[in-house]
Amino acid sequence: QVQLVESGGGEVQPGGSLRLSCGTSGFSFSRYGMHWVRQAPGKGLEWVAFVESDGIKKKYADSVKGRFTISRDNSNSTLFLHMTSLTADDTAVYYCAKDGILLYSFDYWGQGTLVTVSA
Amino acid sequence: DIQMTQSPSSLSASVGDRVTITCRASQNIYTYLNWYQHKPGKAPKLLIYASSTLESGVPSRFSGSGSWTEFTLTISSLQPEDSATYYCQQSYRLGTFGPGTKVDIK
Repeated sequence: QVQLVESGGGEVQPGGSLRLSCGTSGFSFSRYGMHWVRQAPGKGLEWVAFVESDGIKKKYADSVKGRFTISRDNSNSTLFLHMTSLTADDTAVYYCAKDGILLYSFDYWGQGTLVTVSA
Repeated sequence: DIQMTQSPSSLSASVGDRVTITCRASQNIYTYLNWYQHKPGKAPKLLIYASSTLESGVPSRFSGSGSWTEFTLTISSLQPEDSATYYCQQSYRLGTFGPGTKVDIK
């Protein structure tokens, strides 16, 4: 079955950096676009970033553009999110999600990894 | 940017009730609209995509309709396990979510 497992979350100081990983199995990773979605404490879901199946085309939410970089390693079926210049507003549970039949729908999700930005 | 709104923000209903949630887009998104169920501590779950197509394995009591800027999610007979927050999400241009509707069981 399809599985997505995020890792790399933790506590980081404002201005710091962190790299999240999402290991996947159960589907042909290299054939699908992948996303990161986050949920800040007490808030709703926010789409963060997308990378196409070949890793070339990337899109970002305005709130993270220029600070976050999404990438993927198709040989190891792994998705990444490199986050820099972190602020308290980036504190959230970060989910990786697989692109669905409808582009920019999310048909499988991981359990999430918590990122806390605090001094 | 496309903005999404949902109403109501929360509701409480009894088991067996028919529940309807409305989602509106700030511009025409045709039928590029998806619905998710999210329970605390769990991964969100895709219920419906392209406005009205039921995702595989989702109970038939869930249904979706609408086009252009107005959409609805209906639960025909509310069950205890349906207690969750429901989000609409447009996929016409990137992936904006609505603010969510929290559904409680009376």
